[in-house]
Amino acid sequence: AIRITQSPSSLSASTGDRVTITCRASQGISSYLAWYQQKPGKAPKLLIYAASTLQSGVPSRFSGSGSGTDFTLTISCLQSEDFATYYCQQYYSYPRTFGGGTKVEIK
Amino acid sequence: EVQLVESGGGLVQPGGSLRLSCSASGFTFSSYAMHWVRQAPGKGLEYVSAISSNGGSTYYADSVKGRFTISRDNSKNTLYLQMSSLRAEDTAVYYCVKSLTGSSPYFDYWGQGTLVTVSS
Repeated sequence: AIRITQSPSSLSASTGDRVTITCRASQGISSYLAWYQQKPGKAPKLLIYAASTLQSGVPSRFSGSGSGTDFTLTISCLQSEDFATYYCQQYYSYPRTFGGGTKVEIK
Repeated sequence: EVQLVESGGGLVQPGGSLRLSCSASGFTFSSYAMHWVRQAPGKGLEYVSAISSNGGSTYYADSVKGRFTISRDNSKNTLYLQMSSLRAEDTAVYYCVKSLTGSSPYFDYWGQGTLVTVSS
């Protein structure tokens, strides 16, 4: 199975900050990576697919980059509604493994 | 509007069985692969199982292989997960998830989840 290492596991930031979360795959996955946002008690919500394509309706302050083994999610100007947990996931092969998550908290 | 509604969760004793259902609407159910993903309390997401659009192919995580069975009834637009020999570590919210087909099969819609608690 492909392992996905996500970092950091948590971070504290202020509204307006630029935030970066990274994921590293244990082997090359081309651009078969998605990013999800999850708020407490809710299902994950798709933000980005194909490593860098923004899902319809997702604010443009979210962006993704990378290919192969190294990927990044950036929130350019953190808003209050962005405080949540973020997960990356590879869909290159089965099992469709997830990163361990990054909890973005208010500083 | 795509909707995925899980049901069937609840409290079950270790060694017991439970069947989860996921009722789908708002899309052509028979055209898409479907998945189950779970999340233990306070933990991250764990991939559980997948089934192809026509039910001909299935996948199971090692942690559930031989105990869980995924199936679908395309005439009823419903996905199932039959769980047996349940263990405490199977306690989690179980999500029904739809993926796209073709060259970029990412997960585009998730249900709200159903809680399974395995405890005596």
